[in-house]
Amino acid sequence: EVQLVESGGGLVQPGGSLRLSCTISGFTFSSSAMHWVRQAPGKGLEYVSAISGDGGSTYYANSVKGRFTISRDASKNTLYLQMGSLRGEDMAVYYCASSTSSWPLTMDVWGQGTTVTVSS
Amino acid sequence: ETVLTQSPATLSASPGERATLSCRASQSVSSKLAWYQHKPGQAPRLLIFGASTRATGIPARISGSGSGTEFTLTISSLQSEDFAVYYCQQYDNWPYTFGQGTKLEIK
Repeated sequence: EVQLVESGGGLVQPGGSLRLSCTISGFTFSSSAMHWVRQAPGKGLEYVSAISGDGGSTYYANSVKGRFTISRDASKNTLYLQMGSLRGEDMAVYYCASSTSSWPLTMDVWGQGTTVTVSS
Repeated sequence: ETVLTQSPATLSASPGERATLSCRASQSVSSKLAWYQHKPGQAPRLLIFGASTRATGIPARISGSGSGTEFTLTISSLQSEDFAVYYCQQYDNWPYTFGQGTKLEIK
């Protein structure tokens, strides 16, 4: 069974940093592009970032470019999102998702999400 | 950045009725358009990719159409499990973007 499990969410002060993790099982991690998507309270889905299956290509929404870094560790079957210079508008449920292809296309399988709260 | 505009924002319908949701792109995205269903407290679910191809396990009552800048998601006969928020998403150009969502609610 394909499973994605996010972790690392929590309370962080404005300007602070946090690293999210997404551990996958049930499919070949290195063959799958991965994504991060978020949903702020009362808002819709917002695309955050993507990384190709080999980790060689990364992409970011304009709202997080320069502050967030996506990466992956094939030896641990884990996807990461390093978030820095956090702002109130970054507060959201963060979902990781996988593509069936090595190039980021659609988000075929999703995790249940981890919550990030930005507050002093 | 490609802006996706969904309409209506909220659609009220009864079980058994037909529902039609629209998504308009600010520039052509070819057929690289997906639809997702999202229920509160759950993970989003891929319904349609390539504008019209159903994802694995998606029932035939759910269909997608369109290309370029105009897209439609149709649910032919609403079931209780269909009431949710629906998002379109383009994957033609970076950054990928979502529409703002259409809430399909029970009348």
